[in-house]
Amino acid sequence: EPEVTQTPSHQVTQMGQEVILRCVPISNHLYFYWYRQILGQKVEFLVSFYNNEISEKSEIFDDQFSVERPDGSNFTLKIRSTKLEDSAMYFCASSGTGDGEQYFGPGTRLTVT
Amino acid sequence: GDSVTQMEGPVTLSEEAFLTINCTYTATGYPSLFWYVQYPGEGLQLLLKATKADDKGSNKGFEATYRKETTSFHLEKGSVQVSDSAVYFCALGRGSTLGRLYFGRGTQLTVWP
Repeated sequence: EPEVTQTPSHQVTQMGQEVILRCVPISNHLYFYWYRQILGQKVEFLVSFYNNEISEKSEIFDDQFSVERPDGSNFTLKIRSTKLEDSAMYFCASSGTGDGEQYFGPGTRLTVT
Repeated sequence: GDSVTQMEGPVTLSEEAFLTINCTYTATGYPSLFWYVQYPGEGLQLLLKATKADDKGSNKGFEATYRKETTSFHLEKGSVQVSDSAVYFCALGRGSTLGRLYFGRGTQLTVWP
């Protein structure tokens, strides 16, 4: 069964460093998303991406964040200058229909020290 | 704005016990409602969904009914198994916003043999 994959599973970085989280969505899907979950809190929407551009972003997704689909398979989230409060589990998701039925990856745990 | 409030865990049950995990939502109009499940080391998987009032979503013995009068979408299972041990997330979505989901905090369920 097709699945969404994410790498790395765990990333440790120092405050102020740039990180890139990688995702490979399901191959025929057209809608892509990033969410995050800070420990003990809700899963929060960050950004959605369709037709090679951002379709919606939350207030969390400020200028420090960017997304890219550099080729036909990868979907990346970049954080330019990490802060301690960026420590969270980051989930990538994709959808073939954009109607809410989303397929999630296993997540990348980002720890900022 | 749209939001989901979910029963806090953890929930611990014996095998064959009855399960209820409460979920209520705040939204205007007619959102779609979802339950996602996350097994250890895996991504969130769609468990069931309902797209309009009084719809009942069901899958793998789990059920949830979309109740607009009480703004609820409680998850139930008549007889849980050890293999149901996971984290369960209630979520709300709107197709018009290209599938952005609003999640609850998740409820950890542990089932003992």
